[in-house]
Amino acid sequence: KAGVTQTPRYLIKTRGQQVTLSCSPISGHRSVSWYQQTPGQGLQFLFEYFSETQRNKGNFPGRFSGRQFSNSRSEMNVSTLELGDSALYLCASSLMAAGKAFFGQGTRLTVV
Amino acid sequence: SQQGEEDPQALSIQEGENATMNCSYKTSINNLQWYRQNSGRGLVHLILIRSNEREKHSGRLRVTLDTSKKSSSLLITASRAADTASYFCATEALIQGAQKLVFGQGTRLTINP
Repeated sequence: KAGVTQTPRYLIKTRGQQVTLSCSPISGHRSVSWYQQTPGQGLQFLFEYFSETQRNKGNFPGRFSGRQFSNSRSEMNVSTLELGDSALYLCASSLMAAGKAFFGQGTRLTVV
Repeated sequence: SQQGEEDPQALSIQEGENATMNCSYKTSINNLQWYRQNSGRGLVHLILIRSNEREKHSGRLRVTLDTSKKSSSLLITASRAADTASYFCATEALIQGAQKLVFGQGTRLTINP
């Protein structure tokens, strides 16, 4: 069974640009969660999608958004990038929201 | 603030020794999970312990859960260099009517050869 796939693995963007990250969950998993990981803040919850609906959202500004498609693949978008958005963005899929989570390798975003 | 808090933040031991990491949480839980993260990679699920369980084993891992103290510990026995990683506990939080998994800040474990 294929694991969680995140693309791209690395990304360099300049301030003010926008970025879209992609996550393909494990087949059969309908819950997809996104996390931002930085050295100072640790692992911060961004949002969770289940069957194309956002069920939960973390404490992030509206520049951070996401969506989930009918095949459970998910994308997250960050607009008007700031230097502080530089982080490892992790996607996790699971059968249920707070169950055993399977993580992708992450997308390392660097904003310059 | 985080639902789960790990202690210590960093731990350095010699290969072959045992490593113990602790996690404290704030609210009632259905289960508590431990994950490992190698540098810059995704997290890997290690073990899940349910609220009605007190101890669980998986290979060289032993997890205990004390719901009265709202704490858990992860013991890695006979440590190896490959165990060098960050370890996170994760608990559920009910936010706005939906469950989500909340991670602690993690313990950075270094195994010295």
